[in-house]
Amino acid sequence: DSGVTQTPKHLITATGQRVTLRCSPRSGDLSVYWYQQSLDQGLQFLIQYYNGEERAKGNILERFSAQQFPDLHSELNLSSLELGDSALYFCASSVGQGAGSPLHFGNGTRLTVT
Amino acid sequence: DAKTTQPTSMDCAEGRAANLPCNHSTISGNEYVYWYRQIHSQGPQYIIHGLKNNETNEMASLIITEDRKSSTLILPHATLRDTAVYYCIVRVAINGNQFYFGTGTSLTVIP
Repeated sequence: DSGVTQTPKHLITATGQRVTLRCSPRSGDLSVYWYQQSLDQGLQFLIQYYNGEERAKGNILERFSAQQFPDLHSELNLSSLELGDSALYFCASSVGQGAGSPLHFGNGTRLTVT
Repeated sequence: DAKTTQPTSMDCAEGRAANLPCNHSTISGNEYVYWYRQIHSQGPQYIIHGLKNNETNEMASLIITEDRKSSTLILPHATLRDTAVYYCIVRVAINGNQFYFGTGTSLTVIP
């Protein structure tokens, strides 16, 4: 158990809808990362927050947004969903931002868009 | 980011050591080498990381060559539960994300 909690585990929704994925980082971790993994694809970095502030953006679509709250949990909002958004979405956390701080991943949310 | 090159797949007999190689010939002096594994759609699991020196923990050993252009992850006694995709990642010491996953090595432990 990595200590990173993601909810829900599974989500099925229709095209055009909006969903929110939630992540609780490990106790004491200030940095949160979001990744997307489509079928047979590698892990694609979406966005990173550190202590409530956005620190880096990857290949995140404009339809997607995220935030990190004062209690350090994070939410990833996906809107105007398309079939191609079906994927595993992983959250990871680390103590700091330094390169020597390992990321610890949750077990993901599996999103299915029908 | 320094890119990494790993074999697409490898087999290992159960109980034997699994040696997973990784080339990172363009690595810079402040970039760490990380290893993760992913077991069938679960979240990636942190294994080990290092900068210059060899490292060992309860899961594995990491051997980094003196020129830092390659490394080897060693699972000393592979079990069937070690069957997974193993990712070698080079991470730079700057703000923001420095964690880019490649395609990894699919390790199959054979009974």
